[in-house]
Amino acid sequence: AQRVTQPEKLLSVFKGAPVELKCNYSYSGSPELFWYVQYSRQRLQLLLRHISRESIKGFTADLNKGETSFHLKKPFAQEEDSAMYYCALKTSYDKVIFGPGTSLSVIP
Amino acid sequence: NAGVTQTPKFQVLKTGQSMTLQCAQDMNHEYMSWYRQDPGMGLRLIHYSVGAGITDQGEVPNGYNVSRSTTEDFPLRLLSAAPSQTSVYFCASSSGRERVTDTQYFGPGTRLTVL
Repeated sequence: AQRVTQPEKLLSVFKGAPVELKCNYSYSGSPELFWYVQYSRQRLQLLLRHISRESIKGFTADLNKGETSFHLKKPFAQEEDSAMYYCALKTSYDKVIFGPGTSLSVIP
Repeated sequence: NAGVTQTPKFQVLKTGQSMTLQCAQDMNHEYMSWYRQDPGMGLRLIHYSVGAGITDQGEVPNGYNVSRSTTEDFPLRLLSAAPSQTSVYFCASSSGRERVTDTQYFGPGTRLTVL
């Protein structure tokens, strides 16, 4: 079965603290994984994808095929990082499956 | 480019009514999708299309119909609205041509309430 899980519905951290948003996936094929972000009253937008191995707004994510994880990390959280974060899996048929999302709140 | 546009932004329906949510993109994208966003459940794929004339079901297709007569438009039809269809609906598109760099672009969403 193809599935994306994000165990934390809500995550609160203090400004300047490290943050890690967890994502695990279930997929038998070769996965393509993404993180999307939705700021308050805005549309979803792509944050980063595993294949690019990039750092966007200080966020990074590493695909761990052994643990089937794609956790999103940032060493120092900022207030503007407060948003809803979705992990997403793109299957070989180009269907994109989203996780339930984690609401990140950065406390000043 | 306007990107992905959706109309209406808000809609209230009575149970049993039908309506069509409109989605259009001006980026010449092949792939278009409809999602619903519900609290605690994230985004769930309703229907998607990989090109004009081609549609397929997603995770939660029941109660919804789609068609793709042109590359630009991908309307979502609610046949007989039910309170369980109260949700925020997002349309998305992607080029479908470059797997490595392909990005989904989302519309602003339609907030639907069914009474």
